[in-house]
Amino acid sequence: AQSVTQPDARVTVSEGASLQLRCKYSYSATPYLFWYVQYPRQGLQLLLKYYSGDPVVQGVNSFEAEFSKSNSSFHLQKASVHWSDSAVYFCALSMSAGNKLTFGIGTRVLVRP
Amino acid sequence: EAAVTQSPRNKVAVTGGKVTLSCNQTNNHNNMYWYRQDTGHGLRLIHYSYGAGSTEKGDIPDGYKASRPSQENFSLILELATPSQTSVYFCASGDAGGFTEVFFGKGTRLTVV
Repeated sequence: AQSVTQPDARVTVSEGASLQLRCKYSYSATPYLFWYVQYPRQGLQLLLKYYSGDPVVQGVNSFEAEFSKSNSSFHLQKASVHWSDSAVYFCALSMSAGNKLTFGIGTRVLVRP
Repeated sequence: EAAVTQSPRNKVAVTGGKVTLSCNQTNNHNNMYWYRQDTGHGLRLIHYSYGAGSTEKGDIPDGYKASRPSQENFSLILELATPSQTSVYFCASGDAGGFTEVFFGKGTRLTVV
């Protein structure tokens, strides 16, 4: 069965600092990979997605993620965070196009002024 | 802009009572999903549907039923609500084919007392 592991439940960073959120997956083939963000009392919004091609994928709001097949990872990064980036970030995978996401537990990010 | 609307947004139910959570999408998507979100678990798939009249069991279907009477509407039904079903429930919709985004509603906070 497939799974997604986000090892960090909470991350605190200062405004202007860089951010990296870790995600590792378990799946026998190459999955479709996603990062979603959840702002308080909101649903999830897509940040970026990856299936093939350049392992570094750009997303909205200056986020990017790097896929590594050898490490089974899909880490999310941002060079300089803003207070508005405080949210919960979810890594997810799908085994086929456009279907049934499996989520990690999420990482809550707090950006200090 | 893709839209998924859930109702109610908040619900308090009594143990043993029947609860129906409703979801409407205006995206003309074939696929719809019900997830629940709990701390430490991320989002877990309860039921999903590939189109009107179809429902499929997800990863945690016990205690839940689903109904898809039309392309636009997808309901989650708790016939006999229990306190363990206290959670935040998210409905989502997505296209059946291609590497596309899944769109989420804003969630329903259900408390079973």
